[in-house]
Amino acid sequence: QQQVKQSPQSLIVQKGGISIINCAYENTAFDYFPWYQQFPGKGPALLIAIRPDVSEKKEGRFTISFNKSAKQFSLHIMDSQPGDSATYFCAASKEAGYSTLTFGKGTMLLVSP
Amino acid sequence: NAGVMQNPRHLVRRRGQEARLRCSPMKGHSHVYWYRQLPEEGLKFMVYLQKENIIDESGMPKERFSAEFPKEGPSILRIQQVVRGDSAAYFCASLEGGASQPQHFGDGTRLSIL
Repeated sequence: QQQVKQSPQSLIVQKGGISIINCAYENTAFDYFPWYQQFPGKGPALLIAIRPDVSEKKEGRFTISFNKSAKQFSLHIMDSQPGDSATYFCAASKEAGYSTLTFGKGTMLLVSP
Repeated sequence: NAGVMQNPRHLVRRRGQEARLRCSPMKGHSHVYWYRQLPEEGLKFMVYLQKENIIDESGMPKERFSAEFPKEGPSILRIQQVVRGDSAAYFCASLEGGASQPQHFGDGTRLSIL
């Protein structure tokens, strides 16, 4: 049973464009939704995270949009750069910090120069 | 401030051998999580430990896998009698504790079974 579904599996965006990655979850007990960025040969690094009491959170070029009623959240990367090329994972947990993370399958983003 | 350290980075074992993966959490972190990543898959939770205690091992296979986090030293994930299906990247994450604290990941151990 996949509790966090992520799409698309891969994405190609031109430099300067907007990258959008979507996730949907099933477990209504989830209340912490982080996004991780992973480069080849490296571990996942936390990019940005959101709690369901807000509908949007922005940090620099990265924005999370959250729709609690639809049980969906998305990552938007504005002004995408070649250095953003990586695999992005959405995740969810029941409680920020202590609870285990349930990950989506990942989106491989390629930003073309 | 060193991050989460995992070693070895790459480990090759033959079927039937034992694999030991080590994880040193960030300084001051007393919570450790192990995840497994198969090719083309996201990370899957295996086990959550605090010092000298296993808190949640619901993601750990019932046989051949064990984990510990002793009072002194790194956390160890041990896989006995490895099989080809154990080939994966194994990641450790640590957490200081307290609400709203993110998990910090190491760079993983890539385990290959011949």
